[in-house]
Amino acid sequence: GDSVTQTEGLVTLTEGLPVMLNCTYQSTYSPFLFWYVQHLNEAPKLLLKSFTDNKRPEHQGFHATLHKSSSSFHLQKSSAQLSDSALYYCVTNAYKVIFGKGTHLHVLP
Amino acid sequence: EAAVTQSPRSKVAVTGGKVTLSCHQTNNHDYMYWYRQDTGHGLRLIHYSYVADSTEKGDIPDGYKASRPSQENFSLILELASLSQTAVYFCASSRDSANTEVFFGKGTRLTVV
Repeated sequence: GDSVTQTEGLVTLTEGLPVMLNCTYQSTYSPFLFWYVQHLNEAPKLLLKSFTDNKRPEHQGFHATLHKSSSSFHLQKSSAQLSDSALYYCVTNAYKVIFGKGTHLHVLP
Repeated sequence: EAAVTQSPRSKVAVTGGKVTLSCHQTNNHDYMYWYRQDTGHGLRLIHYSYVADSTEKGDIPDGYKASRPSQENFSLILELASLSQTAVYFCASSRDSANTEVFFGKGTRLTVV
């Protein structure tokens, strides 16, 4: 069945450094991929959604590129901010919603 | 904007008691979901539904029942609450099962004592 694998556990980095959270997927279809973000004591919400035409979605400085050849949709940002500290989920949604286990990003001053 | 409302927002329940968590959406979405989140961990799917009067098991259904009496409403029922069910519960909805955004409620913090 379909699955999503993302960087597990905690990623800690210093403010101003680049961010990259890994996500790979397995699917028999050609799914859209999503990144959701959950800040402390809040509900998850959509951050990015892949496009069908290889455009790169961007939001709040984050971007991600869907690479079908490597089945990846890594989340990137050029310069981390303290407010980026949160739990990030990679999600595939070909025929059912599948959330990855989540990656905690902790940005230090 | 899509809206998913959960009630109550927090609850303290006694071990062995019955707990019902309610969810209401005004999105006209077919799909509704119940997720559980333990402190410091990610989401786990308990039950979901794609049509009224029908529910499906998710990844961790044991100890939980679900009810979808109408398109708008989806309840999660703990018949015999246990300490291990202390968690935050999120309800969510989506237009369909594929390639659409999932909208979450604000969550219900359940503490079983």
